[in-house]
Amino acid sequence: DADVTQTPRNRITKTGKRIMLECSQTKGHDRMYWYRQDPGLGLRLIYYSFDVKDINKGEISDGYSVSRQAQAKFSLSLESAIPNQTALYFCATSSGQLHYTFGSGTRLTVV
Amino acid sequence: ELKVEQNPLFLSMQEGKNYTIYCNYSTTSDRLYWYRQDPGKSLESLFVLLSNGAVKQEGRLMASLDTKARLSTLHITAAVHDLSATYFCAVDKSSGGGADGLTFGKGTHLIIQP
Repeated sequence: DADVTQTPRNRITKTGKRIMLECSQTKGHDRMYWYRQDPGLGLRLIYYSFDVKDINKGEISDGYSVSRQAQAKFSLSLESAIPNQTALYFCATSSGQLHYTFGSGTRLTVV
Repeated sequence: ELKVEQNPLFLSMQEGKNYTIYCNYSTTSDRLYWYRQDPGKSLESLFVLLSNGAVKQEGRLMASLDTKARLSTLHITAAVHDLSATYFCAVDKSSGGGADGLTFGKGTHLIIQP
């Protein structure tokens, strides 16, 4: 099993719909992150969490919300999806020491 | 605000040639990462550079870090087709006293032609 699992892998949704992307990890890491990748723009940080009670906005948090349900679970929600939120979304974890572990990604298309 | 700039953003080269990808960053940090990404895939960690003068090599790839110049390089020696991918550098904000997480460059799309 993967250390960082994202579900779904692919999703097509309609404008205005609410959608949740889920991330779970078996690394035992405290820190979890959501990134968005757009062609030619690299990865940009949406939200990050140091632990269950600590949630922080990244550089592009508008239009997104997150929930840290447990140390191992970190969900990203789009309350009302819009087409420019079409992107590849990555969840990542870190122990805070050195290495980051990325999930396989969720490809989201908003039509 | 931390900014990370890579160049070139696109590189087409022939097998057997050498080339270097550059990564500049704007604020103090001593933790620099290089990742590889194949189309539609996740990020594969290549190198983590932790101090000024750090040099790491794996196969045909070698990465270095100059924290004073805020510059890292990824050098490709005698390129082979299998190295075709997108390469990202990223800087850890936390080591520079900023917010947590990585700030990425836009990536270098590398195509190696036979």
